[in-house]
This record gives sequence, structure tokens and C-alpha cells, in this order.
Amino acid sequence: QVQLKESGPGLVQPSQTLSLTCTVAGFSLTSYNVHWVRQPPGKGLEWMGVIWNTGGTRYNSALKSRLSISKDTSKSQVFLKMNSLQTEDTATYYCARDPNWEFFDYWGQGVMVTVSS
Amino acid sequence: EIVLTQSPTTIAASPGEKVTITCRASSSVSYMYWYQQKSGASPKLWIYDTSKLASGVPNRFSGSGSGTSYSLTINTMETEDAATYYCQQWSSTPPTFGSGTKLEIK
Repeated sequence: QVQLKESGPGLVQPSQTLSLTCTVAGFSLTSYNVHWVRQPPGKGLEWMGVIWNTGGTRYNSALKSRLSISKDTSKSQVFLKMNSLQTEDTATYYCARDPNWEFFDYWGQGVMVTVSS
Repeated sequence: EIVLTQSPTTIAASPGEKVTITCRASSSVSYMYWYQQKSGASPKLWIYDTSKLASGVPNRFSGSGSGTSYSLTINTMETEDAATYYCQQWSSTPPTFGSGTKLEIK
């Protein structure tokens, strides 16, 4: 069955780089796009960016200068790297699949990242 | 980017009551999508293509709308429906979400 699972450090120091991995199962990264969406505590959902099935990427303009998304298709993994982290980047980070450039049909469980010294 | 405005922000409903959540877009969109999120869990696709129920969604839920105005309706509220609901569009990139409507049991 389709699964996505995020992994990464729970705590990152301010100004450091966040590295997260989304490991997928039940589908191929060459057939589906995978997005990153984050949610600060008690707040709404913010789309961060996408890696298309073709390998191209698109980022939220507000994060573009700090964000990079890549993938290893052979390992069924998608990677997020975001630098210069600040306290306002504290959030639960989700990866999600989109089947048709319209909506997100499967989501990972999320990983909570706290930015603090 | 297209801004989605949901109302109300919070609503409390009694079991059996009819509930409607609205989502207004800053520009016309072709379809609206809705997600249900319960506390501590990831969002779940709830309604797609404006009015189609995702797998497993009870038929007391319905979606409607067009252009810049969309809504999610629960015909008869049940306790398990207490959650936060988000609308989402992707008629233009980037995809955007509404700020959410928290639905509570009265």
C-alpha cells in the first residue's frame, strides 16, 4: 500500500541547516510528484515545494532562497534541505503525494522540528 | 498566488445539526479540495474535485461551489466529525490552503 514516512532531527539550532528524508513505498517516484508541506504549532498548512516525477522542482517563493528538494529514485527517497533556520521554522513537516497536479492523496505522519538553541 | 479565506474560523455544533464551512478564493478556481485533520494527525483528503467524497468519507458530507465560492456541508453532525477542515486549490501554482475551520462538538 502507499506509504510516506518522514525522518530527521527533532531539534535544530538557529542558523543551521535542516535535512529531512521522505521514504515512500507502494509507488514510484518516477510516476508521482512529492511535496513538502509544513505546519507550525497550532497554525495552518504551508506548501513548501515539490519535486516532480521528472525530477524538476518548484518552490514557495517565500522559501526559495533557502530550500532545496531532491530525490533518489532507486531508494524511493525524497530529501528536503533548508538553511538558515530560525525559530519561526519550528513546525511539523509533512511529505505528501500528488497523483495529478491537483491535490494531495497520501500524507506522511509528519516530523516535528524545533528550532532552538 | 491565490488566497483562500475560510469561514468561520471556529464553529461548535450539536450532534444532528447541519454544518456548513465556506471557502472563498481571491481568484476563480476550477476545483476545490478539502482535508480533515484531527489533533496530532496528518491531514486526510476528504473531498476532491469540489464534490467527490474521498474513500471512506461518510455520505453525510458534501461539497459544492464554483468560481470563487465553495463550501463543505455536514448534513447531520456526528461526534467523530470534530476536526479542523482545510480547503486547498491548485488551479494555479503554487497550491494554497485556507487557514482552516475548527469544528467542535457542542
